[in-house]
Amino acid sequence: KAGVTQTPRYLIKTRGQQVTLSCSPISGHRSVSWYQQTPGQGLQFLFEYFSETQRNKGNFPGRFSGRQFSNSRSEMNVSTLELGDSALYLCASSRWTSGVQETQYFGPGTRLLVL
Amino acid sequence: AQKVTQAQTEISVVEKEDVTLDCVYETRDTTYYLFWYKQPPSGELVFLIRRNSFDEQNEISGRYSWNFQKSTSSFNFTITASQVVDSAVYFCALSDFGTGGNEKLTFGTGTRLTIIP
Repeated sequence: KAGVTQTPRYLIKTRGQQVTLSCSPISGHRSVSWYQQTPGQGLQFLFEYFSETQRNKGNFPGRFSGRQFSNSRSEMNVSTLELGDSALYLCASSRWTSGVQETQYFGPGTRLLVL
Repeated sequence: AQKVTQAQTEISVVEKEDVTLDCVYETRDTTYYLFWYKQPPSGELVFLIRRNSFDEQNEISGRYSWNFQKSTSSFNFTITASQVVDSAVYFCALSDFGTGGNEKLTFGTGTRLTIIP
């Protein structure tokens, strides 16, 4: 069974630009979560999508947004990039069984560098 | 608010030694999940284990074992007979029971484990 895939794996942007990251969950997983990992702040939750709806959001500015498509694939967008947005962005997918979320499995991440 | 503390920032041991990674958590929830993930240099977080708050049984999987003690809010991870391939950053994480749309993982700061050949 294929794991979580993320594209692109590496990205270099300049301040002020915007970027879109993509995540394809494990087949059958309808929940997709996004996390940001930086040396200073560690792993922080960005948001979670389920059935095309954002259900939960972390403490990030509105420049960070996302969406989920009917096939459960998700995209994350960051507008007006800042140097501090340089990070590893990790996507995780999970399945729900009987109303309870199962384990989140992570993709390889997209490493974003903002210059 | 939930919080996970991994006090050990870095640990180095010689190959074949046993090593224990500590994890202490805080939560007001009575039901929750605890996790350990491994992050090798490639960056991907690899799932190792999930325990729910109802189950305090210790678990062993090959060279890995986990000790969950609710009384001390700890969920420690021991690697027996360590190998070079165990070198990675290990994260302990906590989430609520995931029935109310609040499924985020709260991570500790990680412990960088280096196994010296």
